[in-house]
Amino acid sequence: GAGVSQTPSNKVTEKGKYVELRCDPISGHTALYWYRQSLGQGPEFLIYFQGTGAADDSGLPNDRFFAVRPEGSVSTLKIQRTERGDSAVYLCASSTGTDGNTIYFGEGSWLTVV
Amino acid sequence: AQSVTQLDSQVPVFEEAPVELRCNYSSSVSVYLFWYVQYPNQGLQLLLKYLSGSTLVESINGFEAEFNKSQTSFHLRKPSVHISDTAEYFCAVSSSGAGSYQLTFGKGTKLSVIP
Repeated sequence: GAGVSQTPSNKVTEKGKYVELRCDPISGHTALYWYRQSLGQGPEFLIYFQGTGAADDSGLPNDRFFAVRPEGSVSTLKIQRTERGDSAVYLCASSTGTDGNTIYFGEGSWLTVV
Repeated sequence: AQSVTQLDSQVPVFEEAPVELRCNYSSSVSVYLFWYVQYPNQGLQLLLKYLSGSTLVESINGFEAEFNKSQTSFHLRKPSVHISDTAEYFCAVSSSGAGSYQLTFGKGTKLSVIP
């Protein structure tokens, strides 16, 4: 597609439920990133994929968060046992993966845990 | 570890007036610097970036930023703003080289252009 596509754009879930957020990167981009943006804050790094593997998952806040990219294209961010503090905009981004390359962001998935 | 400080959370400015959005960073290694813009109800878009070379970088819509290593700053400027520049602006830093994939963002500055 022309840009990074994220679904759903909005998700309201109950505390304790499981959530999946999907990201479809720009075609041909080998690098994929997930960031989280809480209200009034800048985006915070969660995880970086180069191809199918997670090259750096140091930003995942705890073991309730997990992300996969099984075929090196689409990625899914999975959140188990959601908590109210997980409410945020989850941003996906992609790039060619080369040094200094531009990182392109999607419009985000707004997650609200009630 | 790196950090970014955007000194102003909100900046109101009249149309056609100049504006400066301030950004300071801290890092123990060489850096790349970025400004992203987020228009209402849209995703983050890259406005401009500094990787190396000339310390003054420009965007296609009239913004410019200057990398000042001694002051660890990367302030964003525009000599004459338009209503359409109303948006939130985020400064970001990454390590150069192998660490360039991880951006550290500031908290953002909301620019409001007043007619």
